[in-house]
Amino acid sequence: DGGITQSPKYLFRKEGQNVTLSCEQNLNHDAMYWYRQDPGQGLRLIYYSQIVNDFQKGDIAEGYSVSREKKESFPLTVTSAQKNPTAFYLCASSTPPDESSAGANVLTFGAGSRLTVL
Amino acid sequence: SQQGEEDPQALSIQEGENATMNCSYKTSINNLQWYRQNSGRGLVHLILIRSNEREKHSGRLRVTLDTSKKSSSLLITASRAADTASYFCATGRWTGKVIFGPGTSLSVIP
Repeated sequence: DGGITQSPKYLFRKEGQNVTLSCEQNLNHDAMYWYRQDPGQGLRLIYYSQIVNDFQKGDIAEGYSVSREKKESFPLTVTSAQKNPTAFYLCASSTPPDESSAGANVLTFGAGSRLTVL
Repeated sequence: SQQGEEDPQALSIQEGENATMNCSYKTSINNLQWYRQNSGRGLVHLILIRSNEREKHSGRLRVTLDTSKKSSSLLITASRAADTASYFCATGRWTGKVIFGPGTSLSVIP
């Protein structure tokens, strides 16, 4: 079945350590996204990529880094520079927008990775 | 920012009642989407409405869009306990950036 796989589902990290969250999709989608969600809050965009080898900062990119070397993969690294990294991280992908979607990127989400900094 | 903002933040209703959630946004848009999130899970796309549409239906869902007021509403008719979830609106343009509002938490009491 096609979908998006995020791993690990739960991750614990000590302060000062970098950690990488994996996101893999087999939907043949061009665009991929990373969002952060804090308890009881909405989603905030960290980074997004519309094509391989290209990505753009979202609204809260500081302390995070990404790469897009393959179409299927969009890993997110939470660096030690991120002051409050404990959160639920969601990866998503989408096909390119077109006229039928009025330019919308309709997102398919993974199940999420919950990061806790101890 | 083109961020959508939903209200109410939380809504509690009895099974069988209708639930209405509203979304407001700040800048012009080409489209608006609604998503659902069950607790601790990823989001699932529900419905998309284009800026030149005023109303759209999908099963028990009805979405309206008023671009003059920069607002949209999601109506869930004859709610069920399984509708308990958080609902988010999302706005986007051709840039690829998709921005979500803070969401409405819906509780449907059996």
